[in-house]
Amino acid sequence: DAKTTQPDSMESTEGETVHLPCSHATISGNEYIYWYRQVPLQGPEYVTHGLQQNTTNSMAFLAIASDRKSSTLILPHVSLRDAAVYHCILRVDQGGSAKLIFGEGTKLTVSS
Amino acid sequence: AQTIHQWPVAEIKAVGSPLSLGCTIKGKSSPNLYWYWQATGGTLQQLFYSITVGQVESVVQLNLSASRPKDDQFILSTEKLLLSHSGFYLCAWSLAYNNQAPLFGEGTRLSVL
Repeated sequence: DAKTTQPDSMESTEGETVHLPCSHATISGNEYIYWYRQVPLQGPEYVTHGLQQNTTNSMAFLAIASDRKSSTLILPHVSLRDAAVYHCILRVDQGGSAKLIFGEGTKLTVSS
Repeated sequence: AQTIHQWPVAEIKAVGSPLSLGCTIKGKSSPNLYWYWQATGGTLQQLFYSITVGQVESVVQLNLSASRPKDDQFILSTEKLLLSHSGFYLCAWSLAYNNQAPLFGEGTRLSVL
């Protein structure tokens, strides 16, 4: 079964570039990798996603290993607003269903 | 664009009382819908998912039930609340074989006293 593994927590300082890793060693060829972030008592907010190629947007850069067994979310120049739990999620499509596989999430702490 | 509306935003209920939480999707038909539960400070735990009207699969029941009476509606309920039901409930939307990212609602905070 698909599974994602993330470190429980990471600490950073404002202005730093943060690398958040996610292991998905059992990923299959058609499973998308999604990253979301969540602050307490709010729904997860979309950050980015990818299938095979690295992707970039205004929020982050997603680096996907060539074998797709891991990915890293890179947050440039973090600010206090980037403090959140970051979820690495796989979407497993089978028949008509789209199963969402969550890991434990990484709690990112940002200090000034 | 798709939107998810969850109701109520927050509830305070007594142990043993009934509960009904709702989720409505706008903007896409035949979505996969999900219910998640999160204890305070805890991880997201999937409770139910549904790929079509009238069809719901249980992942972890926690003495709760779910129904999908319409294509765009997903309901979570119980007849008797337990203290352990307290927490944060999230509804989510996704489509299979589609590049669109899953969408999460804003959640319902439930306190059982």
